[in-house]
Amino acid sequence: AQTVTQSQPEMSVQEAETVTLSCTYDTSESDYYLFWYKQPPSRQMILVIRQEAYKQQNATENRFSVNFQKAAKSFSLKISDSQLGDAAMYFCAYRSYRYNNNDMRFGAGTRLTVKP
Amino acid sequence: DTGVSQNPRHKITKRGQNVTFRCDPISEHNRLYWYRQTLGQGPEFLTYFQNEAQLEKSRLLSDRFSAERPKGSFSTLEIQRTEQGDSAMYLCASSHPRTGGFYEQYFGPGTRLTVT
Repeated sequence: AQTVTQSQPEMSVQEAETVTLSCTYDTSESDYYLFWYKQPPSRQMILVIRQEAYKQQNATENRFSVNFQKAAKSFSLKISDSQLGDAAMYFCAYRSYRYNNNDMRFGAGTRLTVKP
Repeated sequence: DTGVSQNPRHKITKRGQNVTFRCDPISEHNRLYWYRQTLGQGPEFLTYFQNEAQLEKSRLLSDRFSAERPKGSFSTLEIQRTEQGDSAMYLCASSHPRTGGFYEQYFGPGTRLTVT
């Protein structure tokens, strides 16, 4: 079974600085999707960035980028120029590429604090 | 359309009572998912629907849990004979197929259940 591990329960960053959140996963599949979701306090979860495992190029969305290391099964999220609005729980998630498999596996999350 | 909505947002019930939650997905999203999230953990997959058909259920979905999506639009999740261990946030998400088969899930705000 696939598992997702986020080893950093909490992280903090100074406003305008850069922070990297770690995620590792375990799978025997070769094709899959990886995601980072953001869950602000008392607000709904939103997708930050996604990566298809068959793509070698790391995904980037504005200030958010990933470092995808397939062989190491590592998928870290880098947030550049951190803003106060980035404060939230961040969840790393895995989903199989198989059409009928919709079992999204989430890590336990990392709480990010942004200091002004 | 303003996104996935869930009602109620909060529910407090006594052990042994039945509760029902409702999820309204984004219009024309044919897939609908239910997750459970306990404090300090990431969401755990419970079940999902494609249109009105329930295609997958997690082992977490005990016999006391039942989900329906009668017309392929909104969905309900019922918990019978609630137990204190059922206390959690229940999240709903919806998605629609894109080119290439990727399904991006959009989450609702969740229903927080407290069983006393």
